[in-house]
Amino acid sequence: LAKTTQPISMDSYEGQEVNITCSHNNIATNDYITWYQQFPSQGPRFIIQGYKTKVTNEVASLFIPADRKSSTLSLPRVSLSDTAVYYCLVGDMGNDYKLSFGAGTTVTVRA
Amino acid sequence: GAGVSQSPSNKVTEKGKDVELRCDPISGHTALYWYRQRLGQGLEFLIYFQGNSAPDKSGLPSDRFSAERTGESVSTLTIQRTQQEDSAVYLCASSLEEGFTYEQYFGPGTRLTVT
Repeated sequence: LAKTTQPISMDSYEGQEVNITCSHNNIATNDYITWYQQFPSQGPRFIIQGYKTKVTNEVASLFIPADRKSSTLSLPRVSLSDTAVYYCLVGDMGNDYKLSFGAGTTVTVRA
Repeated sequence: GAGVSQSPSNKVTEKGKDVELRCDPISGHTALYWYRQRLGQGLEFLIYFQGNSAPDKSGLPSDRFSAERTGESVSTLTIQRTQQEDSAVYLCASSLEEGFTYEQYFGPGTRLTVT
């Protein structure tokens, strides 16, 4: 599993856009990038997954540059309820099944 | 539909006692995973089931930990002779198939406290 590095914490205010960048310099050809979100006292929840360029869903966007050595999760117009820990994971679509969670990025949204 | 459920939600036990943690995955999900999360840390993989078989037990911390799955459904994680370092939240997840690109659906976890 490719090693990922992401900031420990980020602060934001309601209505702002939050961008969390994850570094994965040794990403392999068959690797995908996935982000999970975890609220206090809950299990993680899948947010978004991508391989290259840009992916968007109703919750977030994921930007992946051409070299794929990093990725940025973008949360538009955050609210207090977006306060959570966000995990960036990289894994082989065919061979990896267990998820390797680091410490994640704690995002705190203030009023 | 119903998500992944776990029971009990909280368990307090004395050091040295055995505990059983239960996971009910989403119906039809062939893959099932157990993770452990210590306070303020990320998740630590314990064991993975494909159907009723456990091809990867590499994350189990010691031989005091065991798990089984029956009927390609319910799974039980058993910890024998609990120690204080076993205190953590134990999370179960299931996915339609094995593989990184299959979303893992997590249960709410069982918070285990060993006194």
